[in-house]
Amino acid sequence: AIWMTQSPSLLSASTGDRVTISCRMSQGISSYLAWYQQKPGKAPELLIYAASTLQSGVPSRFSGSGSGTDFTLTISCLQSEDFATYYCQQYYSFPRTFGQGTKVEIK
Amino acid sequence: EVQLVQSGAEVKKPGESLKISCKGSGYSFTSYWIGWVRQMPGKGLEWMGIIYPGDSDTRYSPSFQGQVTISADKSISTAYLQWSSLKASDTAMYYCVRPQSQYSNHDAFDIWGQGTMVTVSS
Repeated sequence: AIWMTQSPSLLSASTGDRVTISCRMSQGISSYLAWYQQKPGKAPELLIYAASTLQSGVPSRFSGSGSGTDFTLTISCLQSEDFATYYCQQYYSFPRTFGQGTKVEIK
Repeated sequence: EVQLVQSGAEVKKPGESLKISCKGSGYSFTSYWIGWVRQMPGKGLEWMGIIYPGDSDTRYSPSFQGQVTISADKSISTAYLQWSSLKASDTAMYYCVRPQSQYSNHDAFDIWGQGTMVTVSS
């Protein structure tokens, strides 16, 4: 199985901040990486796929980068609706795996 | 509209069996894989397994192999997740998910069901 290390687990930030979340793989996965956002009591939603492609309807302040083993999710200007938990997920090989999650909270 | 609609919340006792469902609509059910994801209370997401309803090809995470059974009935566009003997540790929210592209399981999950909460308690 591919192990994923997502960091940080908790991120305290203010509206307007630029934030970055990291996801590191135990082995290369090309660009088979997705990012999801989950708000309390809701199902996760797809933000980014293929490491850097924005899902339709997702604001352009979200961006993804990386390939191989190191990936980053960036929110360029944090908005109030962005306070949530974010997960990375690899779909390169079975079993599919998720990162541990990053909770973005209000500072 | 493409959607996955899951069955309602369940409260069960340890040792009981359970089968929860996920009905797909708005797309060709037999052309897309459907997977299951577990989220224990206050915890992260765990991929359990995935099935291709067209031919019932199924893949499991080693963590869940032998613990659950994933199946599908293409005649009614419904996927299932079942347990033969529940444990308290099965208490969780369970989501069904669909990858973005037909025929492919090498895709992110762009469609999620609303979740089914399973509570196992004596």
